[in-house]
Amino acid sequence: ETGVTQSPTHLIKTRGQQVTLRCSSQSGHNTVSWYQQALGQGPQFIFQYYREEENGRGNFPPRFSGLQFPNYSSELNVNALELDDSALYLCASSAPAGNNEQFFGPGTRLTVL
Amino acid sequence: AQSVSQHNHHVILSEAASLELGCNYSYGGTVNLFWYVQYPGQHLQLLLKYFSGDPLVKGIKGFEAEFIKSKFSFNLRKPSVQWSDTAEYFCAVKSTGGFKTIFGAGTRLFVKA
Repeated sequence: ETGVTQSPTHLIKTRGQQVTLRCSSQSGHNTVSWYQQALGQGPQFIFQYYREEENGRGNFPPRFSGLQFPNYSSELNVNALELDDSALYLCASSAPAGNNEQFFGPGTRLTVL
Repeated sequence: AQSVSQHNHHVILSEAASLELGCNYSYGGTVNLFWYVQYPGQHLQLLLKYFSGDPLVKGIKGFEAEFIKSKFSFNLRKPSVQWSDTAEYFCAVKSTGGFKTIFGAGTRLFVKA
């Protein structure tokens, strides 16, 4: 059974640029959630995708957007990067509704200069 | 709004000492509760979870947690810690049937050999 994978591992961007982060969910999981973890803080929920539709969102501006594909992999896109976007971005997948256990990927470390 | 408070940001213990990490949440409805662990260089892993039933739940590696509904608490315990328990521990809460998991800020545990 393959776990959750994310790419790239690290990324450096400059302010104003755009970035795309990728996530492959665990086999059999059709729900993907994205989190932002700033240094010294716990993960903060960005949004969740279920069957290719966004079905929940946290307190993040619209420049944070996402996609989920038919194979349940997912992308997180961030436009107009700001310095405060520097963080570890985590992807978590879970099985169909009724099971709330999430399996996390290793994360993508984004640095915005 | 939901929130999770972890009482200690840093804890230092000697091997064989007992551990208790505090976690309180604010939410009026039915919740699912989790403790996650992040070992150095590894991704978030589920330690244990509470959905319903017996409020004392046992997880991996000898950890347990007790849900006290009247106190909105879900404290993590281990009778005797090992050096290998050095990690960051996160308490998390999700409303039953909801999509958003709220994490606490985390507690860094260092166990001296």
